[in-house]
Amino acid sequence: DQQVKQNSPSLSVQEGRISILNCDYTNSMFDYFLWYKKYPAEGPTFLISISSIKDKNEDGRFTVFLNKSAKHLSLHIVPSQPGDSAVYFCAASRNTGNQFYFGTGTSLTVIP
Amino acid sequence: EPEVTQTPSHQVTQMGQEVILRCVPISNHLYFYWYRQILGQKVEFLVSFYNNEISEKSEIFDDQFSVERPDGSNFTLKIRSTKLEDSAMYFCARIDSYTDTQYFGPGTRLTVL
Repeated sequence: DQQVKQNSPSLSVQEGRISILNCDYTNSMFDYFLWYKKYPAEGPTFLISISSIKDKNEDGRFTVFLNKSAKHLSLHIVPSQPGDSAVYFCAASRNTGNQFYFGTGTSLTVIP
Repeated sequence: EPEVTQTPSHQVTQMGQEVILRCVPISNHLYFYWYRQILGQKVEFLVSFYNNEISEKSEIFDDQFSVERPDGSNFTLKIRSTKLEDSAMYFCARIDSYTDTQYFGPGTRLTVL
Protein backbone atom coordinates (compact mmCIF):
# COMPACT_ATOMS: atom_id res chain seq x y z
CA ASP A 1 0.00 0.00 0.00
CA GLN A 2 2.49 2.61 -1.22
CA GLN A 3 0.27 5.64 -1.60
CA VAL A 4 3.22 7.99 -1.19
CA LYS A 5 6.50 7.20 -2.88
CA GLN A 6 9.94 8.66 -2.72
CA ASN A 7 11.89 6.86 -5.41
CA SER A 8 15.31 8.23 -4.53
CA PRO A 9 16.60 6.69 -1.32
CA SER A 10 19.59 9.02 -1.25
CA LEU A 11 20.89 12.27 -2.71
CA SER A 12 24.26 14.01 -2.45
CA VAL A 13 24.65 17.71 -3.17
CA GLN A 14 27.51 20.18 -2.86
CA GLU A 15 27.13 22.92 -0.30
CA GLY A 16 25.60 26.03 -1.83
CA ARG A 17 23.88 24.16 -4.64
CA ILE A 18 20.20 23.30 -4.95
CA SER A 19 18.79 20.10 -3.45
CA ILE A 20 15.66 18.76 -5.11
CA LEU A 21 13.77 16.00 -3.36
CA ASN A 22 10.87 14.36 -5.15
CA CYS A 23 7.69 12.67 -4.01
CA ASP A 24 4.86 11.00 -5.92
CA TYR A 25 1.44 9.98 -4.69
CA THR A 26 -1.33 7.82 -6.06
CA ASN A 27 -4.41 8.88 -4.13
CA SER A 28 -6.17 11.80 -5.85
CA MET A 29 -8.08 12.47 -2.63
CA PHE A 30 -4.96 13.73 -0.88
CA ASP A 31 -5.25 17.47 -0.37
CA TYR A 32 -2.59 18.33 2.16
CA PHE A 33 1.11 17.60 1.92
CA LEU A 34 4.02 18.08 4.26
CA TRP A 35 7.75 17.63 4.28
CA TYR A 36 9.51 16.43 7.38
CA LYS A 37 13.19 16.27 8.23
CA LYS A 38 14.50 13.55 10.47
CA TYR A 39 17.80 13.08 12.22
CA PRO A 40 18.78 9.69 13.63
CA ALA A 41 17.20 8.88 17.01
CA GLU A 42 14.82 11.84 16.78
CA GLY A 43 11.22 12.28 15.73
CA PRO A 44 10.34 13.84 12.36
CA THR A 45 10.47 17.63 12.41
CA PHE A 46 8.00 19.62 10.36
CA LEU A 47 9.57 21.67 7.57
CA ILE A 48 6.95 22.99 5.19
CA SER A 49 3.46 22.20 3.98
CA ILE A 50 1.23 22.85 1.00
CA SER A 51 -2.47 22.43 0.43
CA SER A 52 -3.95 21.30 -2.85
CA ILE A 53 -5.31 24.77 -3.62
CA LYS A 54 -1.78 26.03 -4.13
CA ASP A 55 1.04 24.94 -6.39
CA LYS A 56 3.91 26.55 -4.53
CA ASN A 57 4.80 27.44 -0.98
CA GLU A 58 8.02 29.08 0.10
CA ASP A 59 9.66 29.43 3.50
CA GLY A 60 13.16 30.79 3.51
CA ARG A 61 15.48 28.36 1.78
CA PHE A 62 12.72 25.79 1.40
CA THR A 63 10.16 25.74 -1.40
CA VAL A 64 7.61 23.04 -2.05
CA PHE A 65 6.03 22.65 -5.48
CA LEU A 66 2.85 20.70 -6.10
CA ASN A 67 1.78 19.37 -9.50
CA LYS A 68 -1.67 17.92 -8.94
CA SER A 69 -2.15 16.62 -12.45
CA ALA A 70 1.06 14.63 -12.18
CA LYS A 71 0.46 13.77 -8.50
CA HIS A 72 3.94 14.96 -7.80
CA LEU A 73 5.53 17.28 -5.29
CA SER A 74 9.07 18.37 -4.76
CA LEU A 75 11.09 20.13 -2.10
CA HIS A 76 13.79 22.57 -3.18
CA ILE A 77 16.47 23.65 -0.75
CA VAL A 78 18.53 26.61 -1.91
CA PRO A 79 21.30 27.06 -0.99
CA SER A 80 21.98 23.68 0.58
CA GLN A 81 23.95 23.65 3.82
CA PRO A 82 25.77 20.80 5.60
CA GLY A 83 23.25 21.05 8.44
CA ASP A 84 20.53 20.08 5.97
CA SER A 85 21.96 16.56 5.86
CA ALA A 86 19.15 14.33 7.15
CA VAL A 87 16.40 12.03 5.95
CA TYR A 88 13.50 13.89 4.35
CA PHE A 89 10.00 12.43 4.34
CA CYS A 90 7.02 13.65 2.40
CA ALA A 91 3.59 12.94 3.84
CA ALA A 92 0.05 13.36 2.59
CA SER A 93 -3.43 13.32 4.06
CA ARG A 94 -6.98 13.37 2.76
CA ASN A 95 -8.36 16.07 5.02
CA THR A 96 -8.06 17.62 8.42
CA GLY A 97 -7.34 15.27 11.25
CA ASN A 98 -6.87 12.20 9.16
CA GLN A 99 -3.79 10.04 9.20
CA PHE A 100 -0.76 11.03 7.25
CA TYR A 101 0.76 8.63 4.75
CA PHE A 102 4.50 8.81 4.63
CA GLY A 103 6.98 8.11 1.89
CA THR A 104 10.02 5.96 2.55
CA GLY A 105 12.33 8.93 2.84
CA THR A 106 15.31 10.35 0.98
CA SER A 107 18.62 10.64 2.74
CA LEU A 108 20.20 13.96 1.81
CA THR A 109 23.92 14.52 2.24
CA VAL A 110 25.24 18.02 1.71
CA ILE A 111 28.95 17.92 1.07
CA PRO A 112 30.95 20.88 2.42
CA GLU B 1 11.26 23.05 23.42
CA PRO B 2 9.55 19.83 22.31
CA GLU B 3 5.85 19.92 21.68
CA VAL B 4 5.47 16.38 22.91
CA THR B 5 7.65 14.20 25.08
CA GLN B 6 7.72 10.43 25.17
CA THR B 7 8.83 7.94 27.78
CA PRO B 8 10.80 5.80 27.91
CA SER B 9 13.30 6.71 25.24
CA HIS B 10 14.30 3.06 24.90
CA GLN B 11 12.42 -0.05 26.02
CA VAL B 12 13.83 -3.56 25.84
CA THR B 13 11.42 -6.43 26.44
CA GLN B 14 11.10 -10.15 26.00
CA MET B 15 8.80 -11.54 23.36
CA GLY B 16 5.31 -12.09 24.76
CA GLN B 17 5.61 -9.38 27.39
CA GLU B 18 3.38 -6.34 27.63
CA VAL B 19 4.79 -2.85 27.11
CA ILE B 20 3.31 0.58 27.69
CA LEU B 21 4.65 3.56 25.82
CA ARG B 22 3.76 7.03 27.09
CA CYS B 23 3.19 10.33 25.37
CA VAL B 24 3.12 13.52 27.40
CA PRO B 25 1.77 16.68 25.78
CA ILE B 26 3.29 20.01 26.73
CA SER B 27 -0.12 21.62 26.74
CA ASN B 28 -3.63 20.27 26.73
CA HIS B 29 -4.22 18.82 23.30
CA LEU B 30 -7.10 16.58 22.37
CA TYR B 31 -5.95 15.02 19.10
CA PHE B 32 -3.09 12.54 19.14
CA TYR B 33 -1.54 10.05 16.82
CA TRP B 34 0.75 7.06 17.15
CA TYR B 35 3.10 6.07 14.36
CA ARG B 36 5.86 3.53 14.15
CA GLN B 37 8.96 3.20 12.02
CA ILE B 38 10.61 -0.16 11.62
CA LEU B 39 14.31 0.29 11.02
CA GLY B 40 14.96 1.21 7.41
CA GLN B 41 11.30 1.45 6.53
CA LYS B 42 8.76 4.24 6.23
CA VAL B 43 6.84 5.86 9.04
CA GLU B 44 3.51 4.03 9.39
CA PHE B 45 0.29 5.28 10.92
CA LEU B 46 -1.10 3.22 13.78
CA VAL B 47 -3.98 5.12 15.36
CA SER B 48 -5.47 8.54 15.97
CA PHE B 49 -7.16 9.39 19.24
CA TYR B 50 -9.54 12.29 19.72
CA ASN B 51 -11.32 13.31 22.85
CA ASN B 52 -10.67 9.97 24.55
CA GLU B 53 -11.81 7.84 21.65
CA ILE B 54 -10.11 6.14 18.74
CA SER B 55 -10.79 8.22 15.65
CA GLU B 56 -9.03 6.16 13.02
CA LYS B 57 -6.78 3.12 13.01
CA SER B 58 -4.74 1.22 10.48
CA GLU B 59 -4.67 -2.50 9.78
CA ILE B 60 -1.45 -2.66 11.79
CA PHE B 61 -3.40 -1.67 14.90
CA ASP B 62 -4.81 -5.09 15.70
CA ASP B 63 -6.14 -6.54 18.94
CA GLN B 64 -2.74 -6.60 20.61
CA PHE B 65 -2.65 -2.79 20.55
CA SER B 66 -4.67 -0.40 22.67
CA VAL B 67 -4.57 3.31 23.45
CA GLU B 68 -5.94 5.24 26.35
CA ARG B 69 -5.60 8.39 28.36
CA PRO B 70 -5.48 6.94 31.84
CA ASP B 71 -4.97 10.09 33.87
CA GLY B 72 -6.46 12.83 31.73
CA SER B 73 -3.13 14.05 30.43
CA ASN B 74 -0.76 11.29 29.33
CA PHE B 75 -1.56 9.14 26.33
CA THR B 76 -0.44 5.54 26.34
CA LEU B 77 0.06 2.91 23.67
CA LYS B 78 -0.08 -0.61 25.04
CA ILE B 79 1.17 -3.68 23.23
CA ARG B 80 -0.24 -6.70 25.02
CA SER B 81 1.98 -9.52 23.84
CA THR B 82 4.99 -8.24 21.99
CA LYS B 83 6.40 -9.97 18.95
CA LEU B 84 9.84 -9.68 17.43
CA GLU B 85 8.40 -7.69 14.54
CA ASP B 86 7.09 -5.04 16.95
CA SER B 87 10.66 -3.80 17.31
CA ALA B 88 10.56 -0.26 15.96
CA MET B 89 10.60 3.42 16.83
CA TYR B 90 7.20 4.50 18.08
CA PHE B 91 6.31 8.14 17.62
CA CYS B 92 3.53 10.09 19.23
CA ALA B 93 2.31 13.21 17.42
CA ARG B 94 -0.12 15.96 18.15
CA ILE B 95 -1.83 18.15 15.59
CA ASP B 96 -1.97 21.92 15.44
CA SER B 97 -5.62 22.62 14.76
CA TYR B 98 -4.86 25.92 13.04
CA THR B 99 -2.28 24.65 10.58
CA ASP B 100 -3.23 20.94 10.45
CA THR B 101 0.42 20.15 11.00
CA GLN B 102 1.51 17.20 13.06
CA TYR B 103 4.33 17.67 15.53
CA PHE B 104 6.17 14.54 16.55
CA GLY B 105 7.74 13.51 19.80
CA PRO B 106 11.30 12.17 19.93
CA GLY B 107 10.10 8.57 19.84
CA THR B 108 10.50 5.44 21.91
CA ARG B 109 12.77 2.76 20.59
CA LEU B 110 11.21 -0.62 21.35
CA THR B 111 13.43 -3.67 21.12
CA VAL B 112 11.77 -7.07 21.45
CA LEU B 113 14.14 -9.95 22.16
